[in-house]
Amino acid sequence: GENVEQHPSTLSVQEGDSAVIKCTYSDSASNYFPWYKQELGKGPQLIIDIRSNVGEKKDQRIAVTLNKTAKHFSLHITETQPEDSAVYFCAASKRTGGADGLTFGKGTHLIIQP
Amino acid sequence: GAGVSQSPRYKVAKRGQDVALRCDPISGHVSLFWYQQALGQGPEFLTYFQNEAQLDKSGLPSDRFFAERPEGSVSTLKIQRTQKEDSAVYLCASSLLVGGTSGIEQYFGPGTRLTVT
Repeated sequence: GENVEQHPSTLSVQEGDSAVIKCTYSDSASNYFPWYKQELGKGPQLIIDIRSNVGEKKDQRIAVTLNKTAKHFSLHITETQPEDSAVYFCAASKRTGGADGLTFGKGTHLIIQP
Repeated sequence: GAGVSQSPRYKVAKRGQDVALRCDPISGHVSLFWYQQALGQGPEFLTYFQNEAQLDKSGLPSDRFFAERPEGSVSTLKIQRTQKEDSAVYLCASSLLVGGTSGIEQYFGPGTRLTVT
């Protein structure tokens, strides 16, 4: 089955700086890669996703890149703000064309230092 | 509009008791997923429904776990004879469609935190 590795497990950055979280996946058939933000006591919130026919996607301060050849994808957050502090999860699945649960990484605890 | 809701939010069970966890998906969503999230870990897939049909239950950890979605809307995850290792947050997610280029995004509920003592 699919295996998703996520790094780093903890990331501390100064407010206003950029943060980058990286993930690798094992199953070359995976074609859908969402990112979720989870705050304490809440469920994961979808923040951005990318499909395998696209190399990069951007939404305001958040961007995701995908390298299918290397089987890795990354989340980039620019101009970080205190409210960005949370646990971020990457995930992968073969959803397009069929039903498939998401395989998640272990998460990155992002800490924004004021 | 209303998101995915789950109840109860917290459940404490004594070892050996049965529990039932409820999920109300977003109205009109065809797909429904259950995940288990252990403390400090990412969610792990348990089972998937397309309308009322349970198409994938490969992630259920044992035959003590049972899920149903009889009318294709509300779903219940039941755990029989709970064990301490069942302690976790149980998350439900729904998505509009089965597949394709849009509508496959999964939206999560707040979860039910189960503690088995």
